[in-house]
Amino acid sequence: GEDVEQSLFLSVREGDSSVINCTYTDSSSTYLYWYKQEPGAGLQLLTYIFSNMDMKQDQRLTVLLNKKDKHLSLRIADTQTGDSAIYFCAEKVSDAGNMLTFGGGTRLMVKP
Amino acid sequence: NAGVTQTPKFRVLKTGQSMTLLCAQDMNHEYMYWYRQDPGMGLRLIHYSVGEGTTAKGEVPDGYNVSRLKKQNFLLGLESAAPSQTSVYFCASSYSLRVGNQPQHFGDGTRLSIL
Repeated sequence: GEDVEQSLFLSVREGDSSVINCTYTDSSSTYLYWYKQEPGAGLQLLTYIFSNMDMKQDQRLTVLLNKKDKHLSLRIADTQTGDSAIYFCAEKVSDAGNMLTFGGGTRLMVKP
Repeated sequence: NAGVTQTPKFRVLKTGQSMTLLCAQDMNHEYMYWYRQDPGMGLRLIHYSVGEGTTAKGEVPDGYNVSRLKKQNFLLGLESAAPSQTSVYFCASSYSLRVGNQPQHFGDGTRLSIL
């Protein structure tokens, strides 16, 4: 079955780059997503990448996809304290029902 | 544009009580979802709906029922609440195109505690 794995915690200093990693198992995934969850709030879509792409850049965010290794990463450049949140990766596993499988989330702590 | 709205935001129940969580979306999305979020486990799908009048089971459906009588609303019911159902519940919705990027849009969650 599908499984999405993330490390639980990452701590960086303000101004440094953050890299959050994710591994998935379903080779038929078409889209992979990164969501951000701030305390007490719902999940906010940050960015996504189509499975035939290797990289996608969106301002401070860079998504890298290694389809051979089923590895997805999110790089945040010049990390700010406002980036402190839980980050979830998710894979689209089924067009029918637009189903997503989520990882357990990585808590990013940014120290001033 | 409110997006996805969940009510209530917080609730405390006693074991055995029943309640209904309401989700409303104003984006004319065909698909709607209910998830639960537990520490370290990400989001797990409880039930989902691909259209008005239709529902289907997700990964963890036991102990829950749902209804989609109107396209914009998706209700999650707990008939007899148990402490194991203490969690944060999220509703989401999306468009129904079978291909392409159709991200799910989330509400702010309902924090439910069962004593």
